[in-house]
Amino acid sequence: SQQGEEDPQALSIQEGENATMNCSYKTSINNLQWYRQNSGRGLVHLILIRSNEREKHSGRLRVTLDTSKKSSSLLITASRAADTASYFCATDPVGGSYIPTFGRGTSLIVHP
Amino acid sequence: IAGITQAPTSQILAAGRRMTLRCTQDMRHNAMYWYRQDLGLGLRLIHYSNTAGTTGKGEVPDGYSVSRANTDDFPLTLASAVPSQTSVYFCASSEWTGGKLFFGSGTQLSVL
Repeated sequence: SQQGEEDPQALSIQEGENATMNCSYKTSINNLQWYRQNSGRGLVHLILIRSNEREKHSGRLRVTLDTSKKSSSLLITASRAADTASYFCATDPVGGSYIPTFGRGTSLIVHP
Repeated sequence: IAGITQAPTSQILAAGRRMTLRCTQDMRHNAMYWYRQDLGLGLRLIHYSNTAGTTGKGEVPDGYSVSRANTDDFPLTLASAVPSQTSVYFCASSEWTGGKLFFGSGTQLSVL
């Protein structure tokens, strides 16, 4: 069963707008990762945030982690049509095998 | 830079046939993984290997086997394919278990 669940399942926005995706998980984690998947391609790593971190940035991406709420958010600012993709969170549960467990993903469409 | 190479890209297979999906990485990563991706279910872990010579079962291992004879190769074998194994299969690797994953381009497998 998935440890992390993304919300919303689908998101449609206009170019230039911000996109926010959320990930909720059930048990304590060592770290949480976000990945992007373009249609028909493999997943590409975006950001890894550790359980003792609250926020990380990478270019137009901002990831927050709230361990008290067991949730994370991925914010893409000033979105572009090229950001159209599916976005997945992957969690590494404490006491597990250290292997990332993926959610079902958020499908983002950015209209030009 | 090759990264992870999967073969074949796609395959149509008759039920009951044996099939091996190939995965090779040139990054000298210790850990390797096989995931399957089905619409609406996200990625589910089939088998993994923390280091050469060791393997472990993931969330959905039944009907699949793996071997890790060396660092670079991690083949996935379907001993007797069934239609429910129709899926997109992704191989991934990471420098250490639980780290950032690098994905191959996937194998689209249809079992008829």
